[in-house]
Amino acid sequence: AQTVTQSQPEMSVQEAETVTLSCTYDTSESDYYLFWYKQPPSRQMILVIRQEAYKQQNATENRFSVNFQKAAKSFSLKISDSQLGDAAMYFCAYRVSSGNTPLVFGKGTRLSVIA
Amino acid sequence: ETGVTQTPRHLVMGMTNKKSLKCEQHLGHNAMYWYKQSAKKPLELMFVYNFKEQTENNSVPSRFSPECPNSSHLFLHLHTLQPEDSALYLCASSRAGGLYEQYFGPGTRLTVT
Repeated sequence: AQTVTQSQPEMSVQEAETVTLSCTYDTSESDYYLFWYKQPPSRQMILVIRQEAYKQQNATENRFSVNFQKAAKSFSLKISDSQLGDAAMYFCAYRVSSGNTPLVFGKGTRLSVIA
Repeated sequence: ETGVTQTPRHLVMGMTNKKSLKCEQHLGHNAMYWYKQSAKKPLELMFVYNFKEQTENNSVPSRFSPECPNSSHLFLHLHTLQPEDSALYLCASSRAGGLYEQYFGPGTRLTVT
């Protein structure tokens, strides 16, 4: 069974600094997708960034980038120039690429941004 | 707003009550999902519907009964719940398959007394 592990229940970062959230996953599949979702307090969960496993190049979306290490089954999220609005729960998720398989989520990391 | 709405946003019910949660998406998606989010636990997938057909039931107790009358609406009917069922229930929708992201609703905060 696929599992997703986020080993940091809570993290904090100073405004304008950089923080990295870790995520590891376990799978025997070779083709899959990885996602980072953000859930701000009392607000809807939204997609931050996604990565296709067959792509070696790390995905980037403005201040958000990932470090995808397929052999190590690691998918960390880096947030640069942190802003107060980045404070949220961050969930790493995995999905096999075939068919419409559901997402498997980690337990999440609560990120606090200190002004 | 993600285009997925859920009502009610908060619900308190007794163990003998019957209630329903509603989810609606205006995105033209053909897959819809129910998740349970409890404190300190990963999101738990409950049900998946593709083109109105249930394609996944993740060993959910029968006191939770989903209904998908069309591709835009999804319901979760609740009856004789237990206190441990108290959680945030999230609905999501997506296009089926591929790298398509799931769009989440704001959730219904359910408290079972």
